[in-house]
Amino acid sequence: NAGVMQNPRHLVRRRGQEARLRCSPVKGHSHVYWYRQLPEEGLKFMVYLQKENIIDESGMPKERFSAEFPKEGPSILRIQQVVRGDSAAYFCASSGGYITGELFFGEGSRLTVL
Amino acid sequence: AQSVTQLGSHVSVSEGALVLLRCNYSSSVPPYLFWYVQYPNQGLQLLLKYTTGATLVKGINGFEAEFKKSETSFHLTKPSAHMSDAAEYFCAVSDGEGGSEKLVFGKGTKLTVNP
Repeated sequence: NAGVMQNPRHLVRRRGQEARLRCSPVKGHSHVYWYRQLPEEGLKFMVYLQKENIIDESGMPKERFSAEFPKEGPSILRIQQVVRGDSAAYFCASSGGYITGELFFGEGSRLTVL
Repeated sequence: AQSVTQLGSHVSVSEGALVLLRCNYSSSVPPYLFWYVQYPNQGLQLLLKYTTGATLVKGINGFEAEFKKSETSFHLTKPSAHMSDAAEYFCAVSDGEGGSEKLVFGKGTKLTVNP
């Protein structure tokens, strides 16, 4: 499967725990975007990364959330000390950076905070 | 700032009927416009996109959309609905600023197709 791979698909955490969501982009893609989808809402942009760089984090909450895209390995979205409001579907998308306008989306990671 | 408004969070049509999903956008620069489809518990799949050129854009599964600058609209249509079209549809806009393909999405429209 050459598409965007996200894991885990489902994650359950208790309040105060940490959640780590992983995203492997399409092979050859070096641009990664993270989006959050809450019930009855569209996808909200969180962060845009290129290898080893955060390009735009204007949609990231100021606290508890961080993202990285290392030189080797998947991109990781990390949520520390989760709260119930963090329950959502988190989608990763990748692109080749050629301004084609197309993002390729993964199937999402669904986080439930108890 | 860019924004997208999708009129109607739920649309219901009969199988074989016309599908019309409405999208209006706001952008300070010539936009790139997209329609994505999401099936339950899946990611988003690109249906079609408008970047430059012809304003009537054809996509997959028989869908098409027309970019109307004067109306700031990009409505999605399909002449004849099929049961398999039942899904949620998202309109999105991008300006490609700084080389970014960051998209701003509407809240989505859930399409139900009745037999």
